[in-house]
Amino acid sequence: EDKVVQSPLSLVVHEGDTVTLNCSYEVTNFRSLLWYKQEKKAPTFLFMLTSSGIEKKSGRLSSILDKKELFSILNITATQTGDSAVYLCAVESNYQLIWGAGTKLIIKP
Amino acid sequence: DGGITQSPKYLFRKEGQNVTLSCEQNLNHDAMYWYRQDPGQGLRLIYYSQIVNDFQKGDIAEGYSVSREKKESFPLTVTSAQKNPTAFYLCASIDRDYNEQFFGPGTRLTVL
Repeated sequence: EDKVVQSPLSLVVHEGDTVTLNCSYEVTNFRSLLWYKQEKKAPTFLFMLTSSGIEKKSGRLSSILDKKELFSILNITATQTGDSAVYLCAVESNYQLIWGAGTKLIIKP
Repeated sequence: DGGITQSPKYLFRKEGQNVTLSCEQNLNHDAMYWYRQDPGQGLRLIYYSQIVNDFQKGDIAEGYSVSREKKESFPLTVTSAQKNPTAFYLCASIDRDYNEQFFGPGTRLTVL
């Protein structure tokens, strides 16, 4: 059975800290891995990763994929209170997205 | 302005009633999806459609039905057979060129 597991389930840090969120997967026919940020409503797209070892970067956020070890990490440096959200990881397999349960990130001022 | 719209934003239903959630997109995407989200859980796939007049069950299709008569529209009906329908429902479509899934704003359904 295909599955995507995120860890930790929740994380509380102080503003300015760096955080690393993890996403591991076991799927047939891997096509891509996606990261989303969800605040109160619909998820918003962050990154799509298809190749191992190539870092995607957007401002203070970055992500990398390891297709040999079947995981991805999402890094956020110099965290701000606006980074507080649920971060969702999804893997595309057989034209469907398989979602992790998410990591709830709380940034304290 | 391209995007996905869902209506209504909030919906209250009495037990035993069927309700239909609307999802419309003008992104010219072939594939559309319905997800359910419960607190503390990831998105769970209800139904998806790769093309007009065709759709497949996802992981939790029981108690739901869909139709795909037009490319732009993928309505979801929550039937009285769905035992625990209170949840946040998200509609999405996918851009196959970029593999990015676009989401609508969601409908929060509450059964009274």
